[in-house]
Amino acid sequence: KAGVTQTPRYLIKTRGQQVTLSCSPISGHRSVSWYQQTPGQGLQFLFEYFSETQRNKGNFPGRFSGRQFSNSRSEMNVSTLELGDSALYLCASSLVPGIFDTQYFGPGTRLTVL
Amino acid sequence: KNEVEQSPQNLTAQEGEFITINCSYSVGISALHWLQQHPGGGIVSLFMLSSGKKKHGRLIATINIQEKHSSLHITASHPRDSAVYICAVSVPNTGNQFYFGTGTSLTVIP
Repeated sequence: KAGVTQTPRYLIKTRGQQVTLSCSPISGHRSVSWYQQTPGQGLQFLFEYFSETQRNKGNFPGRFSGRQFSNSRSEMNVSTLELGDSALYLCASSLVPGIFDTQYFGPGTRLTVL
Repeated sequence: KNEVEQSPQNLTAQEGEFITINCSYSVGISALHWLQQHPGGGIVSLFMLSSGKKKHGRLIATINIQEKHSSLHITASHPRDSAVYICAVSVPNTGNQFYFGTGTSLTVIP
């Protein structure tokens, strides 16, 4: 079974631009969560989707948004990029939402904002 | 103020040594998780604890709910254990919000 895939793996943007990251979950998984990881803050929860509905959202500004499609693939969008948005963005999928220990993580997308 | 604190931040050990990583938290939790992150980003869940102790191979995780403290032990450490170890807690009545420690970077030298 293929694992969680994230595209692109690396991305360089400039301040003020917007970016869209994509996550394809493991086949059959309907829950997708997104996390931001930075050296200073560590891992932080962004949001969780299940069956195209956002179930849970972390403490991030409205510039961060996401959605999930009917095939369970998910995208997250960051508008008006800031230097502090440079991070590794991780996506995780699971069969059931809210069960952290059964999540399977993707390799992440490393975003650099210049 | 971080809800989850880990120590040490960095740890270097000789192969075969016994390793302990500590995690303290300041909020009420429904469960505590230990995660392992290898270079390249992929994260694997090692343990989920709500009380007591769990063992998996050379890894042992303990939690003391009263003291709000957990430890991850690695016995007979091996270079393949080199990774970042992250403590995370899930908080009840928050829609299953998670708070993470900043991680402990472990290097095991042959």
